[in-house]
Amino acid sequence: DARVTQTPRHKVTEMGQEVTMRCQPILGHNTVFWYRQTMMQGLELLAYFRNRAPLDDSGMPKDRFSAEMPDATLATLKIQPSEPRDSAVYFCASGLFGNSPLHFGNGTRLTVT
Amino acid sequence: GEDVEQSLFLSVREGDSSVINCTYTDSSSTYLYWYKQEPGAGLQLLTYIFSNMDMKQDQRLTVLLNKKDKHLSLRIADTQTGDSAIYFCADQPLKAGSYQLTFGKGTKLSVIP
Repeated sequence: DARVTQTPRHKVTEMGQEVTMRCQPILGHNTVFWYRQTMMQGLELLAYFRNRAPLDDSGMPKDRFSAEMPDATLATLKIQPSEPRDSAVYFCASGLFGNSPLHFGNGTRLTVT
Repeated sequence: GEDVEQSLFLSVREGDSSVINCTYTDSSSTYLYWYKQEPGAGLQLLTYIFSNMDMKQDQRLTVLLNKKDKHLSLRIADTQTGDSAIYFCADQPLKAGSYQLTFGKGTKLSVIP
């Protein structure tokens, strides 16, 4: 079964440190999404790429978050500097633009102390 | 903006049917999805329905869509303890260049043995 792969699964870091989360979308998928899940806010869209180009990152705090797709097999989400309020589960999802559903990875659980 | 609403909790006895309800506001939604999230895992696509359909059945799962009332439901027949999870409803509005999903906050289904 093809699946979206996210690394690391868990990350604990101290406030002020840089955090990089990685995602390998399903081969052939041309859209990649980053979502953040918290108890209070539920699932929030952070960024959205199509054919490696960022289409929407309005949900992302620009001063500390950045998202890139260096190539079609890798998407990254970086937080610098990290803050305790960034503690959440970060999900990557990929799909084929048009009318196919999104497939999610298992997430990166980030804890910032 | 778009909004997707779900009740937060549902408790049923093993063997009974579960019905999870969802309402959405965007009348341009093309696809509506149900995802399942087990503890510590990502979102698993359960089923989806195109907006020109009013029902879809897949083994123990039945999805009903009332487009006029913007109401979506997921019925799980013969509910098992393994069905205990959080179920997310999501809609995919039709917007030029857009492909993102808007999620509800999830319904936690508890199955009593």
